[in-house]
Amino acid sequence: AQKVTQAQTEISVVEKEDVTLDCVYETRDTTYYLFWYKQPPSGELVFLIRRNSFDEQNEISGRYSWNFQKSTSSFNFTITASQVVDSAVYFCALSDNTDKLIFGTGTRLQVFP
Amino acid sequence: AAGVIQSPRHLIKEKRETATLKCYPIPRHDTVYWYQQGPGQDPQFLISFYEKMQSDKGSIPDRFSAQQFSDYHSELNMSSLELGDSALYFCASSLVGTAYNEQFFGPGTRLTVL
Repeated sequence: AQKVTQAQTEISVVEKEDVTLDCVYETRDTTYYLFWYKQPPSGELVFLIRRNSFDEQNEISGRYSWNFQKSTSSFNFTITASQVVDSAVYFCALSDNTDKLIFGTGTRLQVFP
Repeated sequence: AAGVIQSPRHLIKEKRETATLKCYPIPRHDTVYWYQQGPGQDPQFLISFYEKMQSDKGSIPDRFSAQQFSDYHSELNMSSLELGDSALYFCASSLVGTAYNEQFFGPGTRLTVL
């Protein structure tokens, strides 16, 4: 069965601190996709990144970076120099050959000025 | 670029009433997904349609039904509403055959059952 675990329920940081959100997944499929979504207080789901199971290359986009490690089934997300606007709930999600997304329980990030 | 449209954005109903949520996918997208997100919870997959046929089913209550129409829009019908149905309902669309079938989410419909 597929499962996504986000052990950190809530994280609080002060602006400009770096923060890493953890994501651990379980799947028996060899082909799968991993995602990160941001959900601000307004409620919409904002797509951040997709990574397929064959691409373990880390990615950096501005202040965001992602570390995908198949050996530990982890897909962690780091925000560098956090800002108040980064405050949101962040979801890690998994999709296999059935296409539907399986979400983790989310991590609420609060960035204080 | 056109995005997924969901209507209404907010809906308030009484217990035991019926509600219909609508989803208009991105033009040319052929697949629609419905997700339910309860308060403080993660989105849960309900059901999906590809080319107007149900393609997958998740934890959708028997009181709910959905379909995809010839113009590819989809409707989620919810009957005998319960307090626990209060949630944010997301629709997502994708085009089979494109890079991974990436799902594009709508803004959601917030349903409140009183």
